[in-house]
Amino acid sequence: KQEVTQIPAALSVPEGENLVLNCSFTDSAIYNLQWFRQDPGKGLTSLLLIQSSQREQTSGRLNASLDKSSGRSTLYIAASQPGDSATYLCAVSGWETSGSRLTFGEGTQLTVNP
Amino acid sequence: ETGVTQTPRHLVMGMTNKKSLKCEQHLGHNAMYWYKQSAKKPLELMFVYSLEERVENNSVPSRFSPECPNSSHLFLHLHTLQPEDSALYLCASSQESVGTEAFFGQGTRLTVV
Repeated sequence: KQEVTQIPAALSVPEGENLVLNCSFTDSAIYNLQWFRQDPGKGLTSLLLIQSSQREQTSGRLNASLDKSSGRSTLYIAASQPGDSATYLCAVSGWETSGSRLTFGEGTQLTVNP
Repeated sequence: ETGVTQTPRHLVMGMTNKKSLKCEQHLGHNAMYWYKQSAKKPLELMFVYSLEERVENNSVPSRFSPECPNSSHLFLHLHTLQPEDSALYLCASSQESVGTEAFFGQGTRLTVV
C-alpha cells in the first residue's frame, strides 16, 4: 500500500526566504506526482504535476523535482511572500486502469511572516 | 474559479437526517471522485466514477451513497451519519485517461451533531 510522508509538518519563515518542502513515497511505481495548495477551509488548487518520466517542473516561483527511484519529491519556493501561506499537499497517482486516484500526504503548513 | 463547484459549502446535520452533497464540473471531464479530509489525517479517496460508472468504492460505509447521473454531476447522499463522519468532503474531476491532472472543488464542511 502506497504511503506518502511530508516533512516538515509545519514551517514558519520570514518573507523573502527561499524554502524547500519535502515529500516521500514508499512505492516508486507511480504514474505521476502532484503538488497542491490548500487555504484554510478551502479546496485544493493544483500547483504542479510531474509525470514519472520527468525530473522537474517549474511554474513562476515554484519548482518541483522528482526522484522516482528514491521515492522523493521536493517543492522549492523562491522569494517567499505572505500570500504563500497555506498548506501544501503532495499526492501520487499509481498505474491504475483509469482516472487519477491520488494518495496524499498530510501536508506541510507554511506560514510566511511579513 | 476551479471549474468544479460544490454545494452546500457548509452543512450541519443530525444523526437521523438525510442530506445530499452536490458536485458539478464544467471542465469536460469524464471521471469524478469523492475524497474525505478529516482533521489531522491525509485526504482519503472514497469513490471513483469513470464514464458515469462507479469503478471504485474504498470500503466506505453504506451510510454514504454516491450517485453520478451524468459526467458533469456527482452527488453524495448521506443518512444516519455518526459524529466521526464530520469532515471536509472534496469532489474532484479529471479525464478518464490514467494519471491525468485532477481538479478539486472548494469542499463541503460537514458537521454531524
